[in-house]
Amino acid sequence: KQEVTQIPAALSVPEGENLVLNCSFTDSAIYNLQWFRQDPGKGLTSLLLIQSSQREQTSGRLNASLDKSSGRSTLYIAASQPGDSATYLCAVRPGAGNMLTFGGGTRLMVKP
Amino acid sequence: GAVVSQHPSRVICKSGTSVKIECRSLDFQATTMFWYRQFPKQSLMLMATSNEGSKATYEQGVEKDKFLINHASLTLSTLTVTSAHPEDSSFYICSARDSGTGGYEQYFGPGTRLTVT
Repeated sequence: KQEVTQIPAALSVPEGENLVLNCSFTDSAIYNLQWFRQDPGKGLTSLLLIQSSQREQTSGRLNASLDKSSGRSTLYIAASQPGDSATYLCAVRPGAGNMLTFGGGTRLMVKP
Repeated sequence: GAVVSQHPSRVICKSGTSVKIECRSLDFQATTMFWYRQFPKQSLMLMATSNEGSKATYEQGVEKDKFLINHASLTLSTLTVTSAHPEDSSFYICSARDSGTGGYEQYFGPGTRLTVT
């Protein structure tokens, strides 16, 4: 059974810092991995999707990497802003038609 | 982009009553929809997979008679919480998979906050 772990569970940083969120998964046979953002009381917003054949994806200040063999992904946020404060969730899909398995999330607080 | 809506966004009901939550894919067809439950400060837990025109597949530990799922069309799935109790209070999020794309990307609704008093 696939298990997804995110470390740290919570993170507080001052504005402007670069930071890295970690995601690990136990079964390396994945179809893709996705990073989401969730604001309090809201649904999920997809940030980046990395196919199993890819090593990284970039969108603005966000960069996600994938090392399938070691079962790890990182989300790098450059020059963090208070508006980045949210919970970040990573999720893996075992196969093309399968549902997502979520990690526990990292609650990020960026202080002005 | 693909949009998924949920209705209602918030609902308060009395213990023992039933509540229906709707999930709609607004600009794409979804043969498969997923229902998740999220407790405060916790991640999403998959409750069931809803397939259009057939019975839903429930995850282990989820009571199918309590959480009734109907996926009658390619754009609508409903979750009915029957005989609700305070412990059913939670944030329910649906997700729809775009049948028209090969990537099987899932799009998430904004969630429904259920409070049972």
